[in-house]
Amino acid sequence: AQKITQTQPGMFVQEKEAVTLDCTYDTSDPSYGLFWYKQPSSGEMIFLIYQGSYDQQNATEGRYSLNFQKARKSANLVISASQLGDSAMYFCAMREPQNTGNQFYFGTGTSLTVIP
Amino acid sequence: DSGVTQTPKHLITATGQRVTLRCSPRSGDLSVYWYQQSLDQGLQFLIHYYNGEERAKGNILERFSAQQFPDLHSELNLSSLELGDSALYFCASSPTGLLNQPQHFGDGTRLSIL
Repeated sequence: AQKITQTQPGMFVQEKEAVTLDCTYDTSDPSYGLFWYKQPSSGEMIFLIYQGSYDQQNATEGRYSLNFQKARKSANLVISASQLGDSAMYFCAMREPQNTGNQFYFGTGTSLTVIP
Repeated sequence: DSGVTQTPKHLITATGQRVTLRCSPRSGDLSVYWYQQSLDQGLQFLIHYYNGEERAKGNILERFSAQQFPDLHSELNLSSLELGDSALYFCASSPTGLLNQPQHFGDGTRLSIL
């Protein structure tokens, strides 16, 4: 089974509107971390937001918020007031512990296009 | 600027050759991670080093090896290169290896095998 699933290969949103990018994950470990990264066309990977498995509240970072539904194993990214500069690939990732370190898994990504 | 430096930015070589990719983590970061991003397989975790010691392995081929030196920089060695090894290789770093620490990525090394 896929550890991270992003079912939306491409999304479009009107400038200034909000958009939700979906992410579901699969783990049997009670302790894990969830991350979202942005990859613009220039190629760099930019960290956006983090949610821990024991966090009671949804994480927020500026215009980014993470809709964490633990029972459903979903960690959707919400971008409010979209800007043209938000056009990029967005990756959901999970980190779970191994015996001596942590293992990381990335989804296949969602390409977001913001329309003026 | 993430503070993670990767060299070279681009590398073009032939099948069967060996290359070394270099990564300098952010100042103070002890953990270094390597990833491979290709069109067909997406972003794959390769290996994690913490303060010079290997901590976790992902989908790293036996032809690939890595190490982290006492000054904390890391190198990823790719040998007997095949066409399928063409990809963008990222290095990332974090302060330690704790679960809740985000990784900060370098700009990547684009490897092209001819």
